[in-house]
Amino acid sequence: AQSVAQPEDQVNVAEGNPLTVKCTYSVSGNPYLFWYVQYPNRGLQFLLKYITGDNLVKGSYGFEAEFNKSQTSFHLKKPSALVSDSALYFCAVRDMWNTDKLIFGTGTRLQVFP
Amino acid sequence: NAGVTQTPKFRVLKTGQSMTLLCAQDMNHEYMYWYRQDPGMGLRLIHYSVGEGTTAKGEVPDGYNVSRLKKQNFLLGLESAAPSQTSVYFCATKGLPYNEQFFGPGTRLTVL
Repeated sequence: AQSVAQPEDQVNVAEGNPLTVKCTYSVSGNPYLFWYVQYPNRGLQFLLKYITGDNLVKGSYGFEAEFNKSQTSFHLKKPSALVSDSALYFCAVRDMWNTDKLIFGTGTRLQVFP
Repeated sequence: NAGVTQTPKFRVLKTGQSMTLLCAQDMNHEYMYWYRQDPGMGLRLIHYSVGEGTTAKGEVPDGYNVSRLKKQNFLLGLESAAPSQTSVYFCATKGLPYNEQFFGPGTRLTVL
């Protein structure tokens, strides 16, 4: 079955430190991968995507993600966290059986402390 | 441009009541989606549409109906609301087949 896993419900990091939010996937073929961020009482906002090409993808607000095919991972990273980065982060993968759809992970809450 | 808008923002229903949630987009996108978000479960797809006049079932379609009479609007209906339908509902749109989805601000629905 196709799936996306976000193994951490919450990640805590101090402001200024690097952050990583983990995502692993299980799909056949070449995955299309996405990261979204959700601020309180808001809809999801697109951060970045991997379709093909360079394994390091740069996105909005200084975020980047590294695609690792051998480890089936797509971890979200930022070199220096801001308090304003505190939010709920979702990883998603395109459904290989129905490419009109995305499969979302359960989300990881990022808390950045001053 | 407003992007994706949802009406209403909040609603409280009693069990058995009906209501319609409206999603409107001015992005001229073909694809539209309705999701529900529940704590610890991420987003689950209810129904979606790949163009005007089309609809398809998602992961959790039971208890919901949808219509896409106009390209810019996607309606989600609850004919007889149940407490299990208490959730936050999000609409999303997508342009080209492999592009990212754009989300509305959500509707918080409580069914008593």
